Amino acid sequence: QVQLVQSGAEVTKPGSSVRVSCQASGDTFNSYTITWVRQAPGQGLEWMGRVIPIFNITNYAPKFQGRVTFSADRSTSTSFMELTRLRSEDTAVYYCAREDDRRLQAFDYWGPGTPVTVSS
Amino acid sequence: QSALTQPPSASGSPGQSVTISCTGTSSDVGSYTYVSWYQQHPGKAPKLIIFGVSQRPSGVPDRFSGSRSGNTASLTVSGLQAEDEADYYCSSYAGNDNFVFGTGTKVTVL
Repeated sequence: QVQLVQSGAEVTKPGSSVRVSCQASGDTFNSYTITWVRQAPGQGLEWMGRVIPIFNITNYAPKFQGRVTFSADRSTSTSFMELTRLRSEDTAVYYCAREDDRRLQAFDYWGPGTPVTVSS
Repeated sequence: QSALTQPPSASGSPGQSVTISCTGTSSDVGSYTYVSWYQQHPGKAPKLIIFGVSQRPSGVPDRFSGSRSGNTASLTVSGLQAEDEADYYCSSYAGNDNFVFGTGTKVTVL
């Protein structure tokens, strides 16, 4: 059974950075892409980008380019999302999800989400 | 990258059908079969219900179906049940290694 386990809630200040982790079970890291999605309170889903752990390739949504970094540690099957220069609008739940090319790049398994609150 | 357009809300009585549209452009929905749909209950992570425009993952009831015409994809929920009340989001590959989600539709079972 595929599981994505995310790190706990974060409360941080404007201008700082936050790092969220996502640990995958099974062979996810050797065969799949990890996608990051966020959802602000009462708002819709927003695609942030993705990392292909086996090739260490990253793609970023234009909106987040330069402010977000994805990485992957294959030894622990863990992906990381670091978002810098935080502002209040970054308050959201951050999800990691598995992207499956056998399902035409759909996001078939999701982590439970990590709430991030940016407040002074 | 603009979000795909979905109606904010849709509703139906139990047993009825509801169809949700997802309008994009020829650069995303209209060009790729990488269109998927997600169901999200309050406080929960999204769940994949349709991939590749019209395919259902195992375990998803056949009451859920997807289709596409031009730049608009659609999700139909037939035989509405109380547990179908949720938010629904479409997603599409948008080229240049980017994806985009729809604005989301809240489905209410009357």
